[in-house]
Amino acid sequence: EADIYQTPRYLVIGTGKKITLECSQTMGHDKMYWYQQDPGMELHLIHYSYGVNSTEKGDLSSESTVSRIRTEHFPLTLESARPSHTSQYLCASSGIWGRQETQYFGPGTRLLVL
Amino acid sequence: GESVGLHLPTLSVQEGDNSIINCAYSNSASDYFIWYKQESGKGPQFIIDIRSNMDKRQGQRVTVLLNKTVKHLSLQIAATQPGDSAVYFCAENGPGDTGRRALTFGSGTRLQVQP
Repeated sequence: EADIYQTPRYLVIGTGKKITLECSQTMGHDKMYWYQQDPGMELHLIHYSYGVNSTEKGDLSSESTVSRIRTEHFPLTLESARPSHTSQYLCASSGIWGRQETQYFGPGTRLLVL
Repeated sequence: GESVGLHLPTLSVQEGDNSIINCAYSNSASDYFIWYKQESGKGPQFIIDIRSNMDKRQGQRVTVLLNKTVKHLSLQIAATQPGDSAVYFCAENGPGDTGRRALTFGSGTRLQVQP
C-alpha cells in the first residue's frame, strides 16, 4: 500500500474560484506527477516534478499550475476554475520497486465546477 | 505520436473463468510495462510489471505476457472473482532520459465479472 494522500477527495465549486488540490507522499520519492482523468477514460499527464524546485508540463495542456517546495508536497492550483476543469485529478509518485521505478497513485480528487 | 492502446473497452466474464485483457503498444523503445487496476472512485493500483528482457511474469492469480515482436501485452487473471471487477490500464515507460521518463497509459478495459 502506497503512502500517498490527496485532499480534498471531492470538491464542488463555483466558476471563477481559486482552488488548490493537495498531494503529499511520505515515501521520500523525488518524482511526482499529476494526471487528469475523465470518467471511464485514460489518464493524461498534466504536470510532473523530478525534485524540489523542478516542475514541467505534461502531455496534456492544462491551465493549472504546480509547485514543489518540499519533497513530500506537490500541490496543484487553478487560479480561476471553469466548468471545463471538471474532472478527476490523480497524483502519483514514483520510487524503486525491485530494480525498476514504479508509480504509485493517490485516491484522486473529483472536481466539479458549476 | 507513440501510444499505448487497448483492444477491448469492456470485457464480461463469468465468476471462476479466466480473463485475458490485451494491450498494444507502438513504441518499440519501451522497456518497462505495468498493469494497473482502478476500482470505482479510487486511484490506479499497481498489479504487476514486466521488463522488456522477459516475455512472461507471474504473480498471485495474474500473469503478464509480453510479445515484443508484435508489440503486444496481455494480462491474464485466473479464476476471476467479483472483486476483480474494475478498469485495467496498461502503461509503458515513455521515451526520454532514463531518469526523467513518465508513464504513457492506454485507454483502459473495464472488466465485469458476472456471478
